[in-house]
Amino acid sequence: SQQGEEDPQALSIQEGENATMNCSYKTSINNLQWYRQNSGRGLVHLILIRSNEREKHSGRLRVTLDTSKKSSSLLITASRAADTASYFCATEKTQAGTALIFGKGTTLSVSS
Amino acid sequence: DVKVTQSSRYLVKRTGEKVFLECVQDMDHENMFWYRQDPGLGLRLIYFSYDVKMKEKGDIPEGYSVSREKKERFSLILESASTNQTSMYLCASSHLYGYTFGSGTRLTVV
Repeated sequence: SQQGEEDPQALSIQEGENATMNCSYKTSINNLQWYRQNSGRGLVHLILIRSNEREKHSGRLRVTLDTSKKSSSLLITASRAADTASYFCATEKTQAGTALIFGKGTTLSVSS
Repeated sequence: DVKVTQSSRYLVKRTGEKVFLECVQDMDHENMFWYRQDPGLGLRLIYFSYDVKMKEKGDIPEGYSVSREKKERFSLILESASTNQTSMYLCASSHLYGYTFGSGTRLTVV
């Protein structure tokens, strides 16, 4: 059961530009999380935003959450070549005893 | 830092073999998970466990089983490996702020 869907599927930008990725989901959530995956490796947790929060920052990352539209966005500012990776949103549903449901990801390519 | 260790990075097995994928975490987390990742399909949940000897089916449990005899170890078992189980397998444990993933096991079934 796919819960989160990222948009776009792929994004190519130049170093120094900002990258914005969007995520839409279907059911009520406790929180929404963003993860990064470098090629062929495991996922790394970036940031968690709870359903009662609207915006959160962590370094060059800014995440917004709009529960009325069931959507979230991840903004990476002043991107670097090292930001090249796949980015996934994941949602924790309000139903107890469930696991995170991941989207299919956005592949970001940052060229120098 | 929490560490989740998957025993093999790459594995090649023959069709029909019984395959064990091992995952160990070092932070006494209660919750552990197995996902598989395929191109175009993202991560799909196979099984998860909230405590020793407890297990819950995820979205795609068919052809798999799991074992959690100790809190730190969560094993994924392919009862009789098939070529459609060729995939990247990712183990994770959860904490208050999110999941910590292992590096993944890329399994090829020939």
